[in-house]
Amino acid sequence: DGGITQSPKYLFRKEGQNVTLSCEQNLNHDAMYWYRQDPGQGLRLIYYSQIVNDFQKGDIAEGYSVSREKKESFPLTVTSAQKNPTAFYLCASSITGAIGEKLFFGSGTQLSVL
Amino acid sequence: DAKTTQPPSMDCAEGRAANLPCNHSTISGNEYVYWYRQIHSQGPQYIIHGLKNNETNEMASLIITEDRKSSTLILPHATLRDTAVYYCIVRVGLNQFYFGTGTSLTVIP
Repeated sequence: DGGITQSPKYLFRKEGQNVTLSCEQNLNHDAMYWYRQDPGQGLRLIYYSQIVNDFQKGDIAEGYSVSREKKESFPLTVTSAQKNPTAFYLCASSITGAIGEKLFFGSGTQLSVL
Repeated sequence: DAKTTQPPSMDCAEGRAANLPCNHSTISGNEYVYWYRQIHSQGPQYIIHGLKNNETNEMASLIITEDRKSSTLILPHATLRDTAVYYCIVRVGLNQFYFGTGTSLTVIP
């Protein structure tokens, strides 16, 4: 079954700690995205990547970092510089990133601060 | 600068059609309108998208006005499982989806 897998489902971060959220897809999609969702709000773009070893900042990239070493994987690191990391994080992918394509979403990771 | 405007909540009787409006008055000529829905703590689920023409699939219909400044998502026979937050989205640029705050639809038995 093709799809996007995010792990873990729930993650807790201590003060000053970096944490990494995993996103893997077996859809053979070139484009991948990370979004942040806060309660009662829509999704905001953090980073996106259209090709391996290349990625671009979205609207709220500060305090986050990503890598795209493999086509299937697009991990997101929430660094200690992100002062308000508690949110629901969603990974998505699309075939090439072209206009007119739909996004496929993972089931999300809820990050909370201890 | 909001790209889409939706009512925050709506109710619909089970078995009736649910019509969810969306205003996107600043949309550009090559920007698509997408609809997704999200059930609490899950990833958004794709419903339908379109550019100019009306679209229909097994889940819903999308009606886009001729001037493209607004659209309506129609769920023809709403069920309890359709209770969710529905997002109308305009694709801004090659890799940017602008998600607004959505409409919380409650289907009432």
